[in-house]
Amino acid sequence: SQKIEQNSEALNIQEGKTATLTCNYTNYSPAYLQWYRQDPGRGPVFLLLIRENEKEKRKERLKVTFDTTLKQSLFHITASQPADSATYLCALDMHQAGTALIFGKGTTLSVSS
Amino acid sequence: DTAVSQTPKYLVTQMGNDKSIKCEQNLGHDTMYWYKQDSKKFLKIMFSYNNKELIINETVPNRFSPKSPDKAHLNLHINSLELGDSAVYFCASSQNPPGVLDTQYFGPGTRLTVL
Repeated sequence: SQKIEQNSEALNIQEGKTATLTCNYTNYSPAYLQWYRQDPGRGPVFLLLIRENEKEKRKERLKVTFDTTLKQSLFHITASQPADSATYLCALDMHQAGTALIFGKGTTLSVSS
Repeated sequence: DTAVSQTPKYLVTQMGNDKSIKCEQNLGHDTMYWYKQDSKKFLKIMFSYNNKELIINETVPNRFSPKSPDKAHLNLHINSLELGDSAVYFCASSQNPPGVLDTQYFGPGTRLTVL
């Protein structure tokens, strides 16, 4: 069966450390992978997108990797801050006409000062 | 200057009632979506419209009926509400249709509680 899993429901780290969130999928072949941030009571907000032929993508303190062999994406936040506390969702983009994004359940990150 | 707006923010109603949720986007996008986020936090696509044409219709009870009067609006009408319909409903928009590389802009959500 097809699955997308973000293997930590919750992740607690200290301010200043690097947070690493994992997104694993089975029986899908996404062309792209997107990461969104969702704050309580709000809709998801797009952060980063990585293509299947890209190994790594960076944006300020954020870094995403995409390993199509392992069927895994890692999302890193370096020098984490309490303001980074939120739920982070990965989404598979199959890049097929009429196919919607497939979202994971998300990982809730808490950064304590 | 809200990009994607939804009304109402909260909706509490009795089983069996009919209710509507409205969505508007001012981004000039051609595609709009309805998602359902249940208590387990999974965000699942329900419907997608591109230029007022329905292009995604997932396995959703036919008590749910979307309507797109124009590109900037996508409403969701729900008949005969059931307890299991309780969830947060998100509207989203994108410039391109699903399957074409793009990012989505989400509204703030409507929390529906069916008693």
